[in-house]
Amino acid sequence: DTGVSQDPRHKITKRGQNVTFRCDPISEHNRLYWYRQTLGQGPEFLTYFQNEAQLEKSRLLSDRFSAERPKGSFSTLEIQRTEQGDSAMYLCASSPFESGEQFFGPGTRLTVL
Amino acid sequence: QKEVEQNSGPLSVPEGAIASLNCTYSDRGSQSFFWYRQYSGKSPELIMSIYSNGDKEDGRFTAQLNKASQYVSLLIRDSQPSDSATYLCAVNKGGNQFYFGTGTSLTVIP
Repeated sequence: DTGVSQDPRHKITKRGQNVTFRCDPISEHNRLYWYRQTLGQGPEFLTYFQNEAQLEKSRLLSDRFSAERPKGSFSTLEIQRTEQGDSAMYLCASSPFESGEQFFGPGTRLTVL
Repeated sequence: QKEVEQNSGPLSVPEGAIASLNCTYSDRGSQSFFWYRQYSGKSPELIMSIYSNGDKEDGRFTAQLNKASQYVSLLIRDSQPSDSATYLCAVNKGGNQFYFGTGTSLTVIP
């Protein structure tokens, strides 16, 4: 078990471009979470999947953000028409059960110029 | 009112001392509680979880939960310079949304 992995680790893009991040959870975990973290803040919940179903989305998640987990394994997070305010660390976590311990991947650091 | 509040610090303790980190939460119905350690530029790393009132010990770490007072604390005994990091408190209110505090920065001075 290699833990949660995320790709890419760093992404620099120009404002207005679309970006997509990938997360591979721990294989036996059916719950997957996306968070965003900015400097000096704690992780902020974005969305949650149980298997392939997206069960919760933060109201802070604008319609420029979309996430998928097509076969209940890896997940992707896409940001369309990026803005400078989207610059942050995007974290993925997985968990084996509800309300349980979450294990984070290394994160994808996004910089929007 | 924030869901989870922590003193941002920084908290400095000498090597070998006990570091005490505190966290309060707003929803009395919160069910599960977690402490994470985060080194600068890295992702959060789970230290401990606690689900019921009282103390839970794991090595040098002790988590304490008091649901009546709505606080969670983390004690680090025999603090080491490698413990220098930001400590995040996370709370689950039930369901699948987890709320994190802004973290407390701890520095252990050799």
